[in-house]
Amino acid sequence: EAQVTQNPRYLITVTGKKLTVTCSQNMNHEYMSWYRQDPGLGLRQIYYSMNVEVTDKGDVPEGYKVSRKEKRNFPLILESPSPNQTSLYFCASRDVFEKLFFGSGTQLSVL
Amino acid sequence: QKEVEQDPGPLSVPEGAIVSLNCTYSNSAFQYFMWYRQYSRKGPELLMYTYSSGNKEDGRFTAQVDKSSKYISLFIRDSQPSDSATYLCAMRSGAGSYQLTFGKGTKLSVIP
Repeated sequence: EAQVTQNPRYLITVTGKKLTVTCSQNMNHEYMSWYRQDPGLGLRQIYYSMNVEVTDKGDVPEGYKVSRKEKRNFPLILESPSPNQTSLYFCASRDVFEKLFFGSGTQLSVL
Repeated sequence: QKEVEQDPGPLSVPEGAIVSLNCTYSNSAFQYFMWYRQYSRKGPELLMYTYSSGNKEDGRFTAQVDKSSKYISLFIRDSQPSDSATYLCAMRSGAGSYQLTFGKGTKLSVIP
C-alpha cells in the first residue's frame, strides 16, 4: 500500500531533550516536506526536500533540522525542543502530478 | 494582509445541502490551486487540483477559480455526513516553485 509513515504518533518530552520524528515513504517520490499545524494558524511548512541531499527552508524553519540521505526517509530533528514547538506535525511526499500524500501526524507536547 | 484568507467556520449544514467553501488570496503569482480534506486526527488528502480559471467538476465536488478576483471556491452538492471534515485550500506559484501556501481551513459539519 502506498503510504507515508511517520513515527511516533504521540510524543511527550521535556524542554531541551533532543528528539527525532521519522518519516518514510514507499512511493519513490522525490519531493518530501514537513508541516506543523496549529489552531488558528493552519498548516505551515517547516522544511522541504526536492531530492536526496537537497533541502530548503519553508516558512517556519527555526528550531528544526532535517536530513535527506535516502530518497525514502526524511526525518525531522528538534535539537533542543521548546514549549512553542508543541504542535501537530505532518510529513508529506508529492508525486509528479502535484498530489501531496500526508502521513497520519505526530502530536508533540514539549513540557 | 495574509496571503491566503479562509473563513474558519465552523459551518454546519443539513444533509443534502449545497455547501460553498471559499478562499481569497493576495499573491497574483499563484497559479495552481488545490483543495484538501482533513478528517479529525488524520493527515489532509487531496480533493481537487486546478490551474486555470473556471470550473472543474469531480462527482459531487466542483472547484471554481477566478484569478481576476483572486478567489477560489469549492462546492459540495448533496452533502453527506461523511463530508464532515476540515477543508483546506492551498496554492502555489508557477513551475519551479515547490512551496504550498495553505488557508487555515474551514470546519464543516453535515447534520443527518
